[in-house]
Amino acid sequence: DGGITQSPKYLFRKEGQNVTLSCEQNLNHDAMYWYRQDPGQGLRLIYYSQIVNDFQKGDIAEGYSVSREKKESFPLTVTSAQKNPTAFYLCASRSTGQGNTIYFGEGSWLTVV
Amino acid sequence: RKEVEQDPGPFNVPEGATVAFNCTYSNSASQSFFWYRQDCRKEPKLLMSVYSSGNEDGRFTAQLNRASQYISLLIRDSKLSDSATYLCVVNTPRGDSWGKFQFGAGTQVVVTP
Repeated sequence: DGGITQSPKYLFRKEGQNVTLSCEQNLNHDAMYWYRQDPGQGLRLIYYSQIVNDFQKGDIAEGYSVSREKKESFPLTVTSAQKNPTAFYLCASRSTGQGNTIYFGEGSWLTVV
Repeated sequence: RKEVEQDPGPFNVPEGATVAFNCTYSNSASQSFFWYRQDCRKEPKLLMSVYSSGNEDGRFTAQLNRASQYISLLIRDSKLSDSATYLCVVNTPRGDSWGKFQFGAGTQVVVTP
């Protein structure tokens, strides 16, 4: 089935550690996104990529890094510089053209212990 | 002022009743509008796009009021399974073909027996 796969679903990070969240899509979508969701808040954009080997910072990029070496893959690294990383992370993708809808993976829960 | 605002609720609705709620957006240049449904601890899923003339999908009706810059969602004959958080999503052009998605924090609906 076509879709967006995120892994792991649950992840615990120790203080000072970097962790990487995986996102793979087989929808042949050009654009991919990473969002963070905190309780009572709307989704906030971390990074996005419109094409392979190119990505742009979103509204809250500090403490995060990404890569886009393949169209299908857009991993997110939460670095130790991110001071409050506990959140629900959502990867999304979208096909070319304005107005097209955005589709989400099942999300990854990251908790700092 | 937030770019996309929603009443967080909860809207407590008896089964079989009708519930309606709005979402306001601040940028008059916004062009695409969507309602997503998000269940607890799950990813958002597209419920319906919102068209200028208004549109209906079964028990769900969406309306767009560009003059007052809001969209609305009405749910008729509410089912227990309609209990969820409903996210308003707005796409605003920004000089490329992609635009920027902005998310409301969601309106919680609780349907009671």
